[in-house]
Amino acid sequence: EAGVVQSPRYKIIEKKQPVAFWCNPISGHNTLYWYRQNLGQGPELLIRYENEEAVDDSQLPKDRFSAERLKGVDSTLKIQPAELGDSAVYLCASSPPIIGLAAAEQFFGPGTRLTVL
Amino acid sequence: AQKVTQAQTEISVVEKEDVTLDCVYETRDTTYYLFWYKQPPSGELVFLIRRNSFDEQNEISGRYSWNFQKSTSSFNFTITASQVVDSAVYFCALSETGGGNKLTFGTGTQLKVEL
Repeated sequence: EAGVVQSPRYKIIEKKQPVAFWCNPISGHNTLYWYRQNLGQGPELLIRYENEEAVDDSQLPKDRFSAERLKGVDSTLKIQPAELGDSAVYLCASSPPIIGLAAAEQFFGPGTRLTVL
Repeated sequence: AQKVTQAQTEISVVEKEDVTLDCVYETRDTTYYLFWYKQPPSGELVFLIRRNSFDEQNEISGRYSWNFQKSTSSFNFTITASQVVDSAVYFCALSETGGGNKLTFGTGTQLKVEL
């Protein structure tokens, strides 16, 4: 079974340029997450989707970040314009449907390492 | 608010030594889940274990074992007879029920296993 796919793996851009990251979750996983991981830190949630609905975007800097998951499958995270402080690894994860109050295991992709110059 | 603390930034051991990675958490919920993930140099987070707050039994999986103690809010991870392939960053994470499966990660512990 294929894991979470992300592209590109690496991206170098100049500040003020736009950038987009793509994620394809594991088949059948209705929940998709975007995390940002700064150097030496743990991942921090940016946005969570249940199918095509963004159910938690409280940590997403909405002035410059946007995300979409139009058909409830793959997703795109965009930054426009990028700033120096956006340099980080952007991780996508997916999980199967949550039953009751249980916490489902999240499966992570390899991430996209963004460098903003 | 929930918080996870991994006080050990980096640990170096020689192969075959045992090593324990510490994790202390804070939460107001009585029901929650704790996780450990491994992040090798390739960058992909690999799930190791999930434990719910009602199950305080220790768990062993091969060379890995976990000690969950609610009294001290700790969920420590021990690798027995460490190997070079165990070298990675290990993250402890907390998920509160009703939080939509949101994971709060610690800052990670870099484990280096040398020959």
